[in-house]
Amino acid sequence: SAVISQKPSRDICQRGTSLTIQCQVDSQVTMMFWYRQQPGQSLTLIATANQGSEATYESGFVIDKFPISRPNLTFSTLTVSNMSPEDSSIYLCSVGGTGFSYEQYFGPGTRLTVT
Amino acid sequence: QKEVEQDPGPLSVPEGAIVSLNCTYSNSAFQYFMWYRQYSRKGPELLMYTYSSGNKEDGRFTAQVDKSSKYISLFIRDSQPSDSATYLCAMSALDSNYQLIWGAGTKLIIKP
Repeated sequence: SAVISQKPSRDICQRGTSLTIQCQVDSQVTMMFWYRQQPGQSLTLIATANQGSEATYESGFVIDKFPISRPNLTFSTLTVSNMSPEDSSIYLCSVGGTGFSYEQYFGPGTRLTVT
Repeated sequence: QKEVEQDPGPLSVPEGAIVSLNCTYSNSAFQYFMWYRQYSRKGPELLMYTYSSGNKEDGRFTAQVDKSSKYISLFIRDSQPSDSATYLCAMSALDSNYQLIWGAGTKLIIKP
């Protein structure tokens, strides 16, 4: 399985600012996913990021709020823009679709607190 | 009705007990079934991955899929305090663009 790292691991930000979260994989992967997880809750998919194409966003998430880059097969970023306290959450990236397999492997997450 | 139902618990059992965790689902197109373990302040870790119906065993863990009943289970034998975590089921259908549908997660507590 791929080894996935995320930066930063945690941050405390002021409302109205933006934070960019980086996701690095140790091997080339087809698909990368960005999730949000509220404390004690399950995972909510924000978007799917494929290299060379625009990210596909799920209902309730828009590109202006959560712009995503996928410049190559090992790296992606998620930006949380114009943050409010409601954006306080854990943000997770995962990789999947390798070898036409459906399992996903996750990074350690970024814990974001907006004050 | 959610596509995947999972009792959030918490489920508390004594050390050494057999644990049964379950999910039900409504979409008969689901063919790929996964169980993840998530420790507090960590990312989910893939435990078991099964395709279609049947059983799969890995050490103390057994995953079962019953597609006729739309029901999947994860059994943990000889449970240990280190098994205390949240367990999430996830599933996917062919042609779903590899997206997973998640259960709510069950918080499991193993008492020493």
